[in-house]
Amino acid sequence: GAVVSQHPSRVICKSGTSVKIECRSLDFQATTMFWYRQFPKQSLMLMATSNEGSKATYEQGVEKDKFLINHASLTLSTLTVTSAHPEDSSFYICSARDPTAELYYEQYFGPGTRLTVT
Amino acid sequence: GIQVEQSPPDLILQEGANSTLRCNFSDSVNNLQWFHQNPWGQLINLFYIPSGTKQNGRLSATTVATERYSLLYISSSQTTDSGVYFCAVTTDSWGKFQFGAGTQVVVTP
Repeated sequence: GAVVSQHPSRVICKSGTSVKIECRSLDFQATTMFWYRQFPKQSLMLMATSNEGSKATYEQGVEKDKFLINHASLTLSTLTVTSAHPEDSSFYICSARDPTAELYYEQYFGPGTRLTVT
Repeated sequence: GIQVEQSPPDLILQEGANSTLRCNFSDSVNNLQWFHQNPWGQLINLFYIPSGTKQNGRLSATTVATERYSLLYISSSQTTDSGVYFCAVTTDSWGKFQFGAGTQVVVTP
């Protein structure tokens, strides 16, 4: 089955620094990837849609200058949290679609990255 | 945007019991998936089910698209079934998910 990986799984950083999170589709090419954020005891909220070779599309209320997304290849999307603050501490999860799959809209999720900003 | 409501919010089951989780959505969808989020946060695909009925072991799901709801059945529950169950739907061509709030399931031995 389709596998999506994320790296790192956990990261702790100091306030004001930047952190990069990688999302990779391991056995398929993903023209579209998605980034979600999940706060404790809450549901997943879509942050942005990442398309290979073009600019990401951000959901309303998500600061594009703070959450930089780069989808440089068909198997890799990165999310960089710039000038991180404690309120950015959260669980970040990516997902990917395989456009060649029989189930066209099915999405596969990575294991998530837990970010703690001190 | 589309509204996705899941019920019940919490469910406590004794091992071996059966249960039904519900997901209501407010508009037509082109995808509906059920997920189980384990204690480590990993979302596990359970079903891709924009319509119809599917079964996988002790789990089954039914989506009645015309009436805008989906049901997830857990039979003979086990402690490993504990976790949060999410329903998520998409309505656009990109496939952007709108998640429900989830159902927290605790299965006690």
